[in-house]
Amino acid sequence: NAGVTQTPKFRVLKTGQSMTLLCAQDMNHEYMYWYRQDPGMGLRLIHYSVGEGTTAKGEVPDGYNVSRLKKQNFLLGLESAAPSQTSVYFCASSRNRADNSPLHFGNGTRLTVT
Amino acid sequence: QQQVKQSPQSLIVQKGGISIINCAYENTAFDYFPWYQQFPGKGPALLIAIRPDVSEKKEGRFTISFNKSAKQFSLHIMDSQPGDSATYFCATPPRGADGLTFGKGTHLIIQP
Repeated sequence: NAGVTQTPKFRVLKTGQSMTLLCAQDMNHEYMYWYRQDPGMGLRLIHYSVGEGTTAKGEVPDGYNVSRLKKQNFLLGLESAAPSQTSVYFCASSRNRADNSPLHFGNGTRLTVT
Repeated sequence: QQQVKQSPQSLIVQKGGISIINCAYENTAFDYFPWYQQFPGKGPALLIAIRPDVSEKKEGRFTISFNKSAKQFSLHIMDSQPGDSATYFCATPPRGADGLTFGKGTHLIIQP
């Protein structure tokens, strides 16, 4: 099993450009999450999904949109990228609620917005 | 937003020594306290977790201690090894949302 796969691994955008980050999991997990990691800030939750067709806002949702059309995929979109969105983005999945089962993380996407 | 305060921010320990990382939380929706370990270029992975029906949980060289009255929990790494060099995050389940709220991380270096 590949676990959680994120594409792309690296990306450089200009301010105002848009892009979509793809997360795919092959563990049949119900819950999926998008986090961003910045130096000295830890991991902050952007959006999450508790099942196919559902999405919910996390701690830092502004400037991002998400979709969960298929159970195995969770997409994170940036409609108009800003330098403040330069970060490492991690996708994670879990079988049940995060207080009940471990989060499985991908290896991240490093995004630079110039 | 729920706060999880983690300390120290960075830690250097000699090989064979004990590494101690602390976390304090304000409120949590559920009594579940995990620690995640992250190596450079990788995503975090669950290291060990505790539910406070016990005050301590040990898995190999890693131990979580929990103090409910003080709202604190800590990670102890016994006989620390260079391979333990990583960033460690504590976390708690937030109220009113799913996922985990993470501390800001501790960068641990074990010197050989």
